[in-house]
Amino acid sequence: EAQVTQNPRYLITVTGKKLTVTCSQNMNHEYMSWYRQDPGLGLRQIYYSMNVEATDKGDVPEGYKVSRKEKRNFPLILESPSPNQTSLYFCASSLLGTGNYEQYFGPGTRLTVT
Amino acid sequence: AQSVSQHNHHVILSEAASLELGCNYSYGGTVNLFWYVQYPGQHLQLLLKYFSGDPLVKGIKGFEAEFIKSKFSFNLRKPSVQWSDTAEYFCAVNAGKSTFGDGTTLTVKP
Repeated sequence: EAQVTQNPRYLITVTGKKLTVTCSQNMNHEYMSWYRQDPGLGLRQIYYSMNVEATDKGDVPEGYKVSRKEKRNFPLILESPSPNQTSLYFCASSLLGTGNYEQYFGPGTRLTVT
Repeated sequence: AQSVSQHNHHVILSEAASLELGCNYSYGGTVNLFWYVQYPGQHLQLLLKYFSGDPLVKGIKGFEAEFIKSKFSFNLRKPSVQWSDTAEYFCAVNAGKSTFGDGTTLTVKP
């Protein structure tokens, strides 16, 4: 089954404790992206990647890191989480090029930072 | 800078009413425009997309959208909504950097 998986689905952590949220897709998509969803603010892009070893900042990259060492994986790293990073996070992937960019979303990771 | 503006934050309709959700975008290049839907407790799913050709595009579940280049608009429509259409709807533009609107919550009363 074609899908985007994220782990963990739920995470409660404390300020300053490094964490990683994994994202994996099995559709051989070149493009992958991370978003955070907050009430009233829609989805805001954190980082995106057009291919292996190619990452770019989205609209809200501060406090986050990503890496793309393999095509299928795109982990999101919070080196020192803070309470304002409490949010619902979605990973997505798509093919590239005009007519594509239709994103397939993962199930989401609800992160709480206390 | 690209941007997406959705006009309605919360829409309440009765079943069988017609729906139109407004979306305006700002983007300098070739647009790839999307409408996504998020049902309660679920992740986003694609409703429909436009990248070229016929400006009236049809999607799943009876939804359609019209791309009007002169107005930078991509409004979503459905002739007759159902209770099961209750969800949050997002308009988006994507050409690498991706921008979503703030979302419109649709509540359909049975």
